[in-house]
Amino acid sequence: SAVISQKPSRDICQRGTSLTIQCQVDSQVTMMFWYRQQPGQSLTLIATANQGSEATYESGFVIDKFPISRPNLTFSTLTVSNMSPEDSSIYLCSVGRGLRNTEAFFGQGTRLTVV
Amino acid sequence: AQTVTQSQPEMSVQEAETVTLSCTYDTSESDYYLFWYKQPPSRQMILVIRQEAYKQQNATENRFSVNFQKAAKSFSLKISDSQLGDAAMYFCAYGQIKAAGNKLTFGGGTRVLVKP
Repeated sequence: SAVISQKPSRDICQRGTSLTIQCQVDSQVTMMFWYRQQPGQSLTLIATANQGSEATYESGFVIDKFPISRPNLTFSTLTVSNMSPEDSSIYLCSVGRGLRNTEAFFGQGTRLTVV
Repeated sequence: AQTVTQSQPEMSVQEAETVTLSCTYDTSESDYYLFWYKQPPSRQMILVIRQEAYKQQNATENRFSVNFQKAAKSFSLKISDSQLGDAAMYFCAYGQIKAAGNKLTFGGGTRVLVKP
């Protein structure tokens, strides 16, 4: 398995502000993924972060709202910008491991509440 | 686009009994993989079991086993000898294999309640 550390584990933020979530992996990985889980909902992929290139965003998610950094093969950050109460969700990072990267592991998630 | 459907919002099982969670998916790909994840209130996504589409044999992990029917695009999870600690949300996920990144598509989830 992979050890993935996410910080912060939770936060309460004022609307209009921004929060940066960090994801640290215990070994080098090619791809890192950021998911959002809205209250009572399933997980939805926000973007795929590859080291050395711009993140690839899924439909409905834009870089201005969710800028992502991937400075090296073990670390990534997701920023939730200009937050509104609708951004209140759990944000999770994930990595792939193993043959063909078909073993997917998740960080413990960041519970964000926007007031 | 791939879709994953979990038709059971909630399932209840007596401790020590067996429960089966259903999952169907839609894809035009022949090479992919499937997961069941458990999410307790701690919100940690815990990998329960994984199945590669090219493998005909159904995956098993201790009390957890799957019934993978590729032609029917069905991937059900059986939890045997249910324990109180099995109570959680369970998500079925489809994983596409792409050079650009193996993205996961999740079903809506099934809440499992275990009665003592």
